[in-house]
Amino acid sequence: SQTIHQWPATLVQPVGSPLSLECTVEGTSNPNLYWYRQAAGRGLQLLFYSVGIGQISSEVPQNLSASRPQDRQFILSSKKLLLSDSGFYLCAWSVLRRERFFGPGTRLTVL
Amino acid sequence: QQQVKQSPQSLIVQKGGISIINCAYENTAFDYFPWYQQFPGKGPALLIAIRPDVSEKKEGRFTISFNKSAKQFSLHIMDSQPGDSATYFCAASSGNYQLIWGAGTKLIIKP
Repeated sequence: SQTIHQWPATLVQPVGSPLSLECTVEGTSNPNLYWYRQAAGRGLQLLFYSVGIGQISSEVPQNLSASRPQDRQFILSSKKLLLSDSGFYLCAWSVLRRERFFGPGTRLTVL
Repeated sequence: QQQVKQSPQSLIVQKGGISIINCAYENTAFDYFPWYQQFPGKGPALLIAIRPDVSEKKEGRFTISFNKSAKQFSLHIMDSQPGDSATYFCAASSGNYQLIWGAGTKLIIKP
């Protein structure tokens, strides 16, 4: 069966510090991968998606970036965090079907 | 128009009652309409989905009603239980990598 992992589960970072969130998927090959952000009590904002290794599409211009160094690994990064980067970051995958399978999420607080 | 408008923003229903959440769209190219359920601190999970060639789909206590001419679809939760308390998201897709999300409805079932 397929499994998606995200870490860390929670993170508290100072403004201006770097960020690296990692997501890995098991049990499937060549998945489409997604990074979403959810502000407190709000909906889901698609940040990046990837259809293959090294292929990244950005949906929202911002100080975040994404990379896909391996087929089932998706990384979200920032060189300098802003207060507005606080939120719940969700990684998701899909294959063929449009259903998104979400990971457990990372709660990021920027102080 | 790529928006999906979801209402209400929040909903309180007595245990055993019917919970109804509505969504409306403009893009007639949408051909897949899922509903996701999200518990606090967790990622969303697919609850039920429908395609526009049917007017209703039922899975247990959950039913999607679809009105193609009105460009509306709704989620009905029959015999609502406290365990159904969660945030519900509707979404729509037209076959590309985009899944357009509603803003979410926070549902509280009172015992």
